[in-house]
Amino acid sequence: DSGVTQTPKHLITATGQRVTLRCSPRSGDLSVYWYQQSLDQGLQFLIQYYNGEERAKGNILERFSAQQFPDLHSELNLSSLELGDSALYFCASSPQGGRTGNTIYFGEGSWLTVV
Amino acid sequence: ILNVEQSPQSLHVQEGDSTNFTCSFPSSNFYALHWYRWETAKSPEALFVMTLNGDEKKKGRISATLNTKEGYSYLYIKGSQPEDSATYLCAFPGSGGGADGLTFGKGTHLIIQP
Repeated sequence: DSGVTQTPKHLITATGQRVTLRCSPRSGDLSVYWYQQSLDQGLQFLIQYYNGEERAKGNILERFSAQQFPDLHSELNLSSLELGDSALYFCASSPQGGRTGNTIYFGEGSWLTVV
Repeated sequence: ILNVEQSPQSLHVQEGDSTNFTCSFPSSNFYALHWYRWETAKSPEALFVMTLNGDEKKKGRISATLNTKEGYSYLYIKGSQPEDSATYLCAFPGSGGGADGLTFGKGTHLIIQP
């Protein structure tokens, strides 16, 4: 158990809908990262928050957004869903940023299926 | 765009044999190099974070070395066991705007044959 908690574990929704994925980082970790893993792609970095502020943006679509709350939990919002958004979404956390040499711990992921 | 390359893409190894594989990354602006072990339907498990040139880290039968000047890291598994079967990922901070998010290689898929 990495200490990073993600909910829901599985989600099935229809095209055009909106979903929210939730992540609770490890206790004391300030950085939260979101990653997407789809069938034919490796792990793709979406976005990072550090202590409530957006720190880095990767390959995140405009239909997707995220935020980190004062209690440091984070939510990833996916809207106007398309079939191609079906993927495993991982949240990860670390005490500081990835460049500091901190270990980054991954949650178990949220499986999203868009039908 | 950051390029993190791993080779080989897949590897079949007999149980009991030792093996190694490579991660190549940009040698400029080095911060850290991360290794993960990823089993299907599970979350990536952190193995090592390496920050210093010449670093060598060990965890049981798995070890890793780092050469930041030439931009590569090797992961070694000694005396492979079936439970070592997994995809091994390396990752390098910096993506998009060059900040903290890890850019992952596509991984080396290791299969240990009994």
